[in-house]
Parts: sequence; structure tokens; C-alpha cells
Amino acid sequence: EPEVTQTPSHQVTQMGQEVILRCVPISNHLYFYWYRQILGQKVEFLVSFYNNEISEKSEIFDDQFSVERPDGSNFTLKIRSTKLEDSAMYFCASSDPDTQYFGPGTRLTVL
Amino acid sequence: DQQVKQNSPSLSVQEGRISILNCDYTNSMFDYFLWYKKYPAEGPTFLISISSIKDKNEDGRFTVFLNKSAKHLSLHIVPSQPGDSAVYFCAASARNNNDMRFGAGTRLTVKP
Repeated sequence: EPEVTQTPSHQVTQMGQEVILRCVPISNHLYFYWYRQILGQKVEFLVSFYNNEISEKSEIFDDQFSVERPDGSNFTLKIRSTKLEDSAMYFCASSDPDTQYFGPGTRLTVL
Repeated sequence: DQQVKQNSPSLSVQEGRISILNCDYTNSMFDYFLWYKKYPAEGPTFLISISSIKDKNEDGRFTVFLNKSAKHLSLHIVPSQPGDSAVYFCAASARNNNDMRFGAGTRLTVKP
């Protein structure tokens, strides 16, 4: 069964460093998403992406965040200058387009 | 932002009995609703969905009920099994908007 994959599973970085979180969506899906979940809190929407551009973004998705689909298979989330409060699980999802399927997540720890 | 609310943070049920998880929403533009199950250290897994044109959708042991006038939906699991123990998230979206909103989750524990 096709699934969304994410790498790395755990990323540790220093505050102020740039990180890139990678996702491989399900191959025939056209809509892509990033969510995050701070420990003990709810899953929060960050951004959706369709037809090579951002279609929706939340207030969390500020100028330090960017997304890219650099080739036909990867979908990346870049955080330019990480802050302590960026520590969270980051989930990628893709959809067909109604139902979103999630990847296993990347745990980002900012020290 | 509390557009989707799950007021019960936890629920404990005996194996074989029914589990009922509840969800309320405030945004009348939402017309598509989903339930996800999440195990520790994994991403949310899609469970079942319902469109606002329906009031019930069933898939095996899982049934979702939608009451549009009350802006309320529920997930019924019957019979409950220990493997159902997980955190269940309710989610809602408007189909012309990709921004899906999640509830805070309900931790279901099914005791053998």
C-alpha cells in the first residue's frame, strides 16, 4: 500500500540553524501539506501546496518557513533560523484530494 | 483557534463494549469531517470520513455520525478491541479550503 515517507525521523539542531525536513508524498497525489504537533498539544496546520505553489497557510507559517517541491517526488519544509519553540513533531501529508494521508513525522529538537 | 473541539481528553472502555468519541465544531463552512487514529511516535492514520450531505458513514466496526444542526459528530467503535487504544483526532475542512483543523484528541484506552 502506498504511503507517505519522511526523513529524517529525528533531527537535532542548534538554535539559529537552518533545517530542511523531507517528505515523499504518495505518487499520484497532487495536494501536499505540512503540520506540526508540539509535545502535548494539538496537531496544527502549517501550509498546503498545490500546482507548485502555496494554496493555504496558517499564521504559524511565517517568513522563516518555506516549502518546495524540488523534483517530481520530494516535498520539503525549510525552517531558516530555528527557534527553541520550533521543537515539535512535523508531519507531512498528501491527499487525493479529499482525504489526507500522513507520514510518520520528523521529530525536530532545537537546542 | 477552537474551531474543532474534543472535550474529553481521555476515555476508558472495556474490551467488547462500545467506544463513543465526540467532537464539536463551530465553523458552519466545514463540510467534510474525518477521524484519525494516532499511535505514539507515528503520524495520524486516516480512519473514516463523512461528507456533510450524509449523517452516517459506516466502515466495519467504525461508524461516524454527523449532526449538522448541532455541529456535532461522533465516532462509534463496536466492539472495542485493545488494539484500538490510541489517540483519536477529529478533523474538519471546507472542501474549497485545504486548511484542515484538528481537535485536541481523545486518548482511548480499551482494557482487556
